[in-house]
Amino acid sequence: DAKTTQPPSMDCAEGRAANLPCNHSTISGNEYVYWYRQIHSQGPQYIIHGLKNNETNEMASLIITEDRKSSTLILPHATLRDTAVYYCIVRVGFGNEKLTFGTGTRLTIIP
Amino acid sequence: ETGVTQSPTHLIKTRGQQVTLRCSSQSGHNTVSWYQQALGQGPQFIFQYYREEENGRGNFPPRFSGLQFPNYSSELNVNALELDDSALYLCASSPDGHTQYFGPGTRLLVL
Repeated sequence: DAKTTQPPSMDCAEGRAANLPCNHSTISGNEYVYWYRQIHSQGPQYIIHGLKNNETNEMASLIITEDRKSSTLILPHATLRDTAVYYCIVRVGFGNEKLTFGTGTRLTIIP
Repeated sequence: ETGVTQSPTHLIKTRGQQVTLRCSSQSGHNTVSWYQQALGQGPQFIFQYYREEENGRGNFPPRFSGLQFPNYSSELNVNALELDDSALYLCASSPDGHTQYFGPGTRLLVL
């Protein structure tokens, strides 16, 4: 079973920041938080991952709470191409552990 | 662009037939995983191969089998196809066990 809880859907206006929450209250100390997204009919795309520090890359920022029980993925300036299903996944970051996908959040960017 | 390719893109089979799906990943990606994604669901882990050996399996029957080759290509074989096998099949490769790069998928329809 997926170890995360996400809202089923969200809307965001184009050009605004999209903030996608994820609850992972049972996360273990050696588990990372990963975010993937899946644009309609394509394979999932890796976005970002983190352990306990906030992370930023060219696609997004990941904010993890101090107790690590929740996190937020931030897309700073959402575009129509960011419309997708976003998956928050926790897993051990080594040993080739599988990805366990939940149902994700369907993010719709509104023009 | 992930560098992971899959073939064919679409396939139609009838119940009871056998099917082979193919995946080609980047040089140096020693791990390949296969996922099944039914319509409206998140991807479900089928199995993983690491250096040509099966390295973990999800809740799928033995009629789902795989191979990984030294040239970073792999196959998913499904025998005795059932209607419920209709899905998008995704392969993902990883160079380090951390980040998985997905192909575009093969959409299989079983009639």
